[in-house]
Amino acid sequence: GIQVEQSPPDLILQEGANSTLRCNFSDSVNNLQWFHQNPWGQLINLFYIPSGTKQNGRLSATTVATERYSLLYISSSQTTDSGVYFCAVCTGGGNKLTFGTGTQLKVEL
Amino acid sequence: GAVVSQHPSRVICKSGTSVKIECRSLDFQATTMFWYRQFPKQSLMLMATSNEGSKATYEQGVEKDKFLINHASLTLSTLTVTSAHPEDSSFYICSAGNPRGGNYNEQFFGPGTRLTVL
Repeated sequence: GIQVEQSPPDLILQEGANSTLRCNFSDSVNNLQWFHQNPWGQLINLFYIPSGTKQNGRLSATTVATERYSLLYISSSQTTDSGVYFCAVCTGGGNKLTFGTGTQLKVEL
Repeated sequence: GAVVSQHPSRVICKSGTSVKIECRSLDFQATTMFWYRQFPKQSLMLMATSNEGSKATYEQGVEKDKFLINHASLTLSTLTVTSAHPEDSSFYICSAGNPRGGNYNEQFFGPGTRLTVL
């Protein structure tokens, strides 16, 4: 099956710093989503981005499908950005998501 | 829009009992829902695909007789953990996808159910 690797696995930032999270996948995809899992376990949809670039406030994402990677940019980080960030992909014509390994982010004052 | 709820949020049960978890799409209809399992500090693993009006499709290694799935309506899927044992303790999360007018195969997740089996 498809492999989805995220880097870095852990990241500690000072409030106000910027960061880039990466998601590499081993096969072509028809869906890529980025999620933030908050400390209570809720997965929050950040982006649906099988290709191209999108921005939403301090967050933006870019997926280069031909090179099989996606990037999530967080600017001016805040303590509320802390949590785990997952990318997840669908392959072929299906709709089953395969989750990446996750990036644990901690933003400190 | 695209809100998914789960109930209960937390359950503690004795070994050998069965536990039912409900997943509802609140503002859209979902012919397909998904059930995931997440162990501490790990990623989400898909357990099964729940199809309205038909049998669920289970991922390799998931016991269908252990994890019973019923998708009786377009807004409700249930997961029953039968004869639960301590190793079944985990965080169970459901999702539903493709709300009308939304992105093809985009999924939205419930808040999860934390199961502890004593």
